Amino acid sequence: SQQGEEDPQALSIQEGENATMNCSYKTSINNLQWYRQNSGRGLVHLILIRSNEREKHSGRLRVTLDTSKKSSSLLITASRAADTASYFCATPPRGRYSTLTFGKGTMLLVSP
Amino acid sequence: GAVVSQHPSRVICKSGTSVKIECRSLDFQATTMFWYRQFPKQSLMLMATSNEGSKATYEQGVEKDKFLINHASLTLSTLTVTSAHPEDSSFYICSARDYRGDGYEQYFGPGTRLTVT
Repeated sequence: SQQGEEDPQALSIQEGENATMNCSYKTSINNLQWYRQNSGRGLVHLILIRSNEREKHSGRLRVTLDTSKKSSSLLITASRAADTASYFCATPPRGRYSTLTFGKGTMLLVSP
Repeated sequence: GAVVSQHPSRVICKSGTSVKIECRSLDFQATTMFWYRQFPKQSLMLMATSNEGSKATYEQGVEKDKFLINHASLTLSTLTVTSAHPEDSSFYICSARDYRGDGYEQYFGPGTRLTVT
């Protein structure tokens, strides 16, 4: 079953605008990760935020984590057409042989 | 970062034939690899967990006789779709885990687009 649930499901903005995507999860976590997937391509790891962190930056990306609300947000500032992709949050495995659990994703379209 | 490759990137096959997809960890040894399937505009769904030297563990609803997984070495896992049908057309992604001292990190292959005609 999926742990993360992103919203919105789809987001359409103009270049230069900021894009904010949210993710909610159900169980306690040690960290939360965000991935990007271009259409028909594999996943690209964007950023990992640990449970003891509230905010993390990487270039134009800003991720927040609120463990009390079991939610995270991904902000892309000054978006570019090349940012057009699907974005997924993922929560880590519990066991040695288990894997990340992905949310349904947000499809971001950035128009020139 | 670690690299995971998949081959082929795209394959078109006729209904009833079998297709093998390879997943390789290029610069690390992966005792555990995962196979996912992704339908258009949907998220990744885990199909099976593959442990080197042992049988794969399949998720509920995934037919093990149809999706044969072999993890023969620490750097290679294969997924064979047997007697493929059009409903098997999908994007298949493998992933490998690498232990990095303070925990596991997971790396994803670029995916294989399977089209069954």
